Amino acid sequence: QSVLAQPPSVSGAPGQKITISCTGSSSNIGAGYDVHWYQQLPGAAPKLLIDAFNNRPAGVPDRFSGRSSGASASLAITGLQAEDEADYYCQSYDSRLSVMVFGGGTRLTVL
Amino acid sequence: QVQLQEAGPGLLRPSQTLSLTCTVSGDSISSSGHYWNWIRQRPGKGLEWMGYIFYIGNAYYNPSLKNRLLISLDNSRNQFSLNLTYVTAADTAVYFCARSPNRQTPEFDSWGQGTLVVVSS
Repeated sequence: QSVLAQPPSVSGAPGQKITISCTGSSSNIGAGYDVHWYQQLPGAAPKLLIDAFNNRPAGVPDRFSGRSSGASASLAITGLQAEDEADYYCQSYDSRLSVMVFGGGTRLTVL
Repeated sequence: QVQLQEAGPGLLRPSQTLSLTCTVSGDSISSSGHYWNWIRQRPGKGLEWMGYIFYIGNAYYNPSLKNRLLISLDNSRNQFSLNLTYVTAADTAVYFCARSPNRQTPEFDSWGQGTLVVVSS
């Protein structure tokens, strides 16, 4: 069971907007630790998608955005495209466990 | 542009020691700007942060691995390494090296492609 809870899967049609939640607790997101998001395409390494300050590495479109509130965070993808089909992970720090923690991952299917 | 590349054995027997190396190009591991991390992903599972090392050689480990894990630097080769002792089947995973900036709750901004390690008798 991951410290940061994500839905196992989400889906949406091309052009739609989806959101992926990342629910933590008072020892991680709720304590104010930053949350970052990664995209992992099949068979590839994860890549940083968006950092806690909504900065996107070069090449990542502005269709991707993140936000945090309380003990939760979310990733929004607008204008869904087939190439967005991937696994998405949130990441933060947990002060109780003293480790960097990842969510369990969410598989996005573009219908 | 920074690049990271893992190298190591693909197959180990239980109780052996796993040794992996990450070669960094496009950045110096001797600079104070970044931490150098190891992260693994068991088959079909999520990501697990294992630990990091800083340019002066001090390392921090995931407490769940602390007794078995050692991360070290080789500044002359611009490499950092992972040694994991007494491996079991539960250590079968893809191992990634990654860079993170020197700040609280850093993101992993560059990753190696990963190397699959299988532990089997």
